[in-house]
Formats: sequence, C-alpha cells, structure tokens
Amino acid sequence: DAGVTQSPTHLIKTRGQQVTLRCSPISGHKSVSWYQQVLGQGPQFIFQYYEKEERGRGNFPDRFSARQFPNYSSELNVNALLLGDSALYLCASSLVLSEGTQYFGPGTRLLVL
Amino acid sequence: SQQGEEDPQALSIQEGENATMNCSYKTSINNLQWYRQNSGRGLVHLILIRSNEREKHSGRLRVTLDTSKKSSSLLITASRAADTASYFCATVRMNRDDKIIFGKGTRLHILP
Repeated sequence: DAGVTQSPTHLIKTRGQQVTLRCSPISGHKSVSWYQQVLGQGPQFIFQYYEKEERGRGNFPDRFSARQFPNYSSELNVNALLLGDSALYLCASSLVLSEGTQYFGPGTRLLVL
Repeated sequence: SQQGEEDPQALSIQEGENATMNCSYKTSINNLQWYRQNSGRGLVHLILIRSNEREKHSGRLRVTLDTSKKSSSLLITASRAADTASYFCATVRMNRDDKIIFGKGTRLHILP
C-alpha cells in the first residue's frame, strides 16, 4: 500500500502570495493532520481533520486554513505569505482519532522570498 | 506552551553503545509517542506508551513513562549507523484542540 503522499515536494513563493499544499492519506485512514516544522525545531500542530470535520487546531493565525475532501485527502492553504512561513509542511494520517499514532508523508518544503 | 522537551539536544556515541534520550512535559496526557526523523524528511512512528503504562519494548527500543515526574525516556540498545537521526517525543491530549505537541528533538549521531 502507498504511504502518505504530499505535493508538491518543493515550492518557492514570494511574500503576500497564497499557497495550497495537498495530502493523500493512507488508504482507509480517515484522519489527516497538518504540521509546520521550522529548521531545527519539532513539528508544530496546525490542524486535524477527521471525517471531513475539523477536530483540532493549533496556535496559528487565520491565514492558515484547511479542508478534507470526501475521499479523505486534504489541502492546507496559507494566505498572505510571510517570510516566517518558510518551513517543511508535514501531513500525517491515522486510522482512528483516539490514540494519535500517525503516519507521516515526506513533506512539502516551502520557501518564501 | 510546548509540552515535550527532549534532552540532550544532541548526542554522539560510538556504534554499538546504548543511547538514552529523555523527554519532559508539563500537563496530564493520554499517551506519549516517540518518532524518528532522518534528514528533514517525514517522521516515522517508533512507539506509543499510554498514560497507564510504565514501560514498553519494541526490538532494540525501550521506552519508560513516569507520569508522577512527567517524564519519559527512550533507550536504543546496540546502536547502529542507521540510527543516526533526530528523535522527537510527542504528547497527546485527546480532549484539547492542540491535541499533539512535539518537542524540539534530540539529534543522535552514531560514530563508526
């Protein structure tokens, strides 16, 4: 079975632009979470979706939004990009919501110039 | 505030030695997990320990959890070059919006 996939792998944007990142979970997994990882730090939780509903939100501004589709894939949108949004964005899927064991994708590396 | 805090921040040991990493956290949790990350790639889940468990083993990995001290440790025995990576603990609190909190990680380097 394929693991979690993310696209694109790399992305370069300029300040003020908008970006959409995509994630496909492992087949059968209904929960998708998004993380931001700045160089040298641990992943910071952004959102969790389960069965197409938001089930968790980290401490990120409203410029960050996400959604989950009927096939359980997900998109993360970031508006009005800032230099500080440069990071590795990780998507993780899990079979159930209850325990939090997650399977991570390879990430999308975003550079904002 | 960040839940998990690993120490040491970096660790270098000889191949074959054991590596121990520690994680401290601040509030009650449902479970604690350890993950490995190679060279800025995606994280790999290693082991989950529930709040009512004290010790868990998986191959060369041994995890302990002391809820009274709000701390956990990860022991890797008989280290190998392939164990070179960053290791993160993550605390899970299911009744919170910010359910899963990762620490800053321990960078482990195995010397040949």
